[in-house]
Amino acid sequence: GDSVTQMEGPVTLSEEAFLTINCTYTATGYPSLFWYVQYPGEGLQLLLKATKADDKGSNKGFEATYRKETTSFHLEKGSVQVSDSAVYFCALRVGDYKLSFGAGTTVTVRA
Amino acid sequence: DAGVIQSPRHEVTEMGQEVTLRCKPISGHNSLFWYRQTMMRGLELLIYFNNNVPIDDSGMPEDRFSAKMPNASFSTLKIQPSEPRDSAVYFCASSPYRGRDTDTQYFGPGTRLTVL
Repeated sequence: GDSVTQMEGPVTLSEEAFLTINCTYTATGYPSLFWYVQYPGEGLQLLLKATKADDKGSNKGFEATYRKETTSFHLEKGSVQVSDSAVYFCALRVGDYKLSFGAGTTVTVRA
Repeated sequence: DAGVIQSPRHEVTEMGQEVTLRCKPISGHNSLFWYRQTMMRGLELLIYFNNNVPIDDSGMPEDRFSAKMPNASFSTLKIQPSEPRDSAVYFCASSPYRGRDTDTQYFGPGTRLTVL
């Protein structure tokens, strides 16, 4: 079935370092792709999304490009801050409503 | 908008007791989802409502779990009787039916359930 595989964590970085979290997907159609972020003790929040091939989603300095040829949607940020410490989930929309989430990647940014 | 509201935020109960989790979706959203999050299984969709009608309950683990949506602004997830393996964080999420964000789910803060 349709699913996503994302890089396992945890990931620990220093402030101002470059962050990349890999995400690849398997899907029969052309799904919408998402990155959600979960800060400690909170629910998931949409970080960015892309709905078709070559679309780039961006928000809060994070970017991800929908690559159909490599079935990937890697998340990147050029200079992370302590406040970016969170769990990041890659997801794809299956059919009309269902989201299939990856396992989540825990990111810790040290000052 | 206030966002999705869930109550209680934390619930500790003993095995065999009934547990009721509550959710108020964002006003104007017509889709509502209940998820369960555990370390072992990640995020699992339990049930999906559209216009207050349950559309997909294939994720409900067993008959001990039930969910209702009596109106557009309220939903409950009930576990009776509860078991220790039900311990998890339960999230409610909602989606709008018009606009450019119909594919986006807005999550509540979750209810952390501990069954002793």
